[in-house]
Amino acid sequence: KQEVTQIPAALSVPEGENLVLNCSFTDSAIYNLQWFRQDPGKGLTSLLLIQSSQREQTSGRLNASLDKSSGRSTLYIAASQPGDSATYLCAVSGYQLIWGAGTKLIIKP
Amino acid sequence: DTAVSQTPKYLVTQMGNDKSIKCEQNLGHDTMYWYKQDSKKFLKIMFSYNNKELIINETVPNRFSPKSPDKAHLNLHINSLELGDSAVYFCASSQGVRGHYEQYFGPGTRLTVT
Repeated sequence: KQEVTQIPAALSVPEGENLVLNCSFTDSAIYNLQWFRQDPGKGLTSLLLIQSSQREQTSGRLNASLDKSSGRSTLYIAASQPGDSATYLCAVSGYQLIWGAGTKLIIKP
Repeated sequence: DTAVSQTPKYLVTQMGNDKSIKCEQNLGHDTMYWYKQDSKKFLKIMFSYNNKELIINETVPNRFSPKSPDKAHLNLHINSLELGDSAVYFCASSQGVRGHYEQYFGPGTRLTVT
């Protein structure tokens, strides 16, 4: 049974720092992995999707990597800004999407 | 242009009532989903429909009944609401049924049962 873990559960850093969010999963038989952003009281915004055959995807200041064999993905945020404050969720796709519990990120001005 | 929309955005109701949440997608996708996000922010799939047919039905009380009148709509009806049903419900859609298709999410419906 697929399990997805996100560490840390919460992270607070000063503005301008580069940071890494971690996602691990127990079953490497996945189709893809997605990173989402959720703002308080709001919906889910898809940030990046990495297919199982890919190693990384980039969008602006965001870079997501995938190491399927070790069951790990990282989301790298460069030059963090207060507007990046949100909860970041990863989800792995087998027959269905299995979600991590998220990392709550706070960027301090 | 809204891709996946849900109504209502907020729903406050009393225990024992029956309520419905509606979802529509204009992406031309074949597959639609309902997810529940609990107070700990954990998302779990409830149902999935492909071309109006139920393909995923997780362990959900039978008070929850999804209905898909056509490929673009997937509604969720909840009977005899309980306090534990309070959560945010997300609708999503994807091009196909297999996991390698990206899912697109609606804004969520925050249900509060008092």
